[in-house]
Amino acid sequence: GQQLNQSPQSMFIQEGEDVSMNCTSSSIFNTWLWYKQDPGEGPVLLIALYKAGELTSNGRLTAQFGITRKDSFLNISASIPSDVGIYFCAGQLNAGKSTFGDGTTLTVKP
Amino acid sequence: KAGVTQTPRYLIKTRGQQVTLSCSPISGHRSVSWYQQTPGQGLQFLFEYFSETQRNKGNFPGRFSGRQFSNSRSEMNVSTLELGDSALYLCASSSSPAQGAGVYGYTFGSGTRLTVV
Repeated sequence: GQQLNQSPQSMFIQEGEDVSMNCTSSSIFNTWLWYKQDPGEGPVLLIALYKAGELTSNGRLTAQFGITRKDSFLNISASIPSDVGIYFCAGQLNAGKSTFGDGTTLTVKP
Repeated sequence: KAGVTQTPRYLIKTRGQQVTLSCSPISGHRSVSWYQQTPGQGLQFLFEYFSETQRNKGNFPGRFSGRQFSNSRSEMNVSTLELGDSALYLCASSSSPAQGAGVYGYTFGSGTRLTVV
């Protein structure tokens, strides 16, 4: 089955720094999604990417859908303490089923 | 509008028992997906229901089953519980249509944390 490799597994950064994380797959996806999960809650959709090469921003977040359709990255600029959480990438080939990466745990030190 | 509601939030069961978890999707959403989240395995897709029919299925044993009602509410059942079934079970609903790929936002509930002892 499809598998996603998400890296890094964890990050410890200083407030104000930029963050970059990425996901790669051995097979293609039609859609890439990035989620953030806070403790005790379900994941919340941050950015959705619809086509290869697409670059999309949402405030301080920027994500790109790789041209090969096998990878995606998420950048967070000027990190703040509330950015703390677990970030997941997810790939979708067809509607109704997402394959998730293992997550990147982000810690922001004030 | 109200979000995705999962009940109960917490549950403790004994090995060998069965459990039923409930999910009420966002009004108007016909697609409901279930995921199992564990520290070691991350988010694993269980199954997805659309208009009372299972449309997609993950790689879980037959002990894991689900159903969807005409009002789109969904239940997930796990029979003969094992210690390894302890996890956070997440439900997500979507406005996905009957056919075609594309991005339809998935909204997750807060999950049901199941502990098997």
